[in-house]
Amino acid sequence: DSGVTQTPKHLITATGQRVTLRCSPRSGDLSVYWYQQSLDQGLQFLIQYYNGEERAKGNILERFSAQQFPDLHSELNLSSLELGDSALYFCASSAIGNGYTFGSGTRLTVV
Amino acid sequence: QKEVEQDPGPLSVPEGAIVSLNCTYSNSAFQYFMWYRQYSRKGPELLMYTYSSGNKEDGRFTAQVDKSSKYISLFIRDSQPSDSATYLCAMIPQTGANNLFFGTGTRLTVIP
Repeated sequence: DSGVTQTPKHLITATGQRVTLRCSPRSGDLSVYWYQQSLDQGLQFLIQYYNGEERAKGNILERFSAQQFPDLHSELNLSSLELGDSALYFCASSAIGNGYTFGSGTRLTVV
Repeated sequence: QKEVEQDPGPLSVPEGAIVSLNCTYSNSAFQYFMWYRQYSRKGPELLMYTYSSGNKEDGRFTAQVDKSSKYISLFIRDSQPSDSATYLCAMIPQTGANNLFFGTGTRLTVIP
């Protein structure tokens, strides 16, 4: 157990729908990062939050949004889903001076 | 040119072999270097976290950083079938930076 918890583990939904992925960072980590990994693709950075505030954006679509709550857990919202959004979505957390710890991911399948 | 280059492999070695995995990078601002192991469809697992040039050893794993050449390596001694996975290098310019810059990963298979 890495200490980063992601739910749900698997999600199957139809095109056009909206889903919410949840991440609880390691205890004490203030930064949360979201990554997308498509089949046989590398990890694509989506967005970072630090202590509740958006810190950086990567290749995140306008249909996607995220937030970090006062208890530091984060949610990634994906809307108007398309077949191409099917991927593994990873959350990672970090603290100053340490590496980034990843969760086990949410596997999203859009049908 | 990508900021981090990594040979995707695949790499197949017999059990017990020494494995050498490498990444090169172009941004001299990178200061912190990481190696992750990712089993199929699982979350990346942090193996090594290093700062500055030199070697760091942890069990059968040794991470090596050569900043002058912008080159990092991961060595796996006495490789085991359980080491079969994709290995990703990653780096950041400073601790707490916004984003990890990942290599594409090298797929390793250790044959019993």
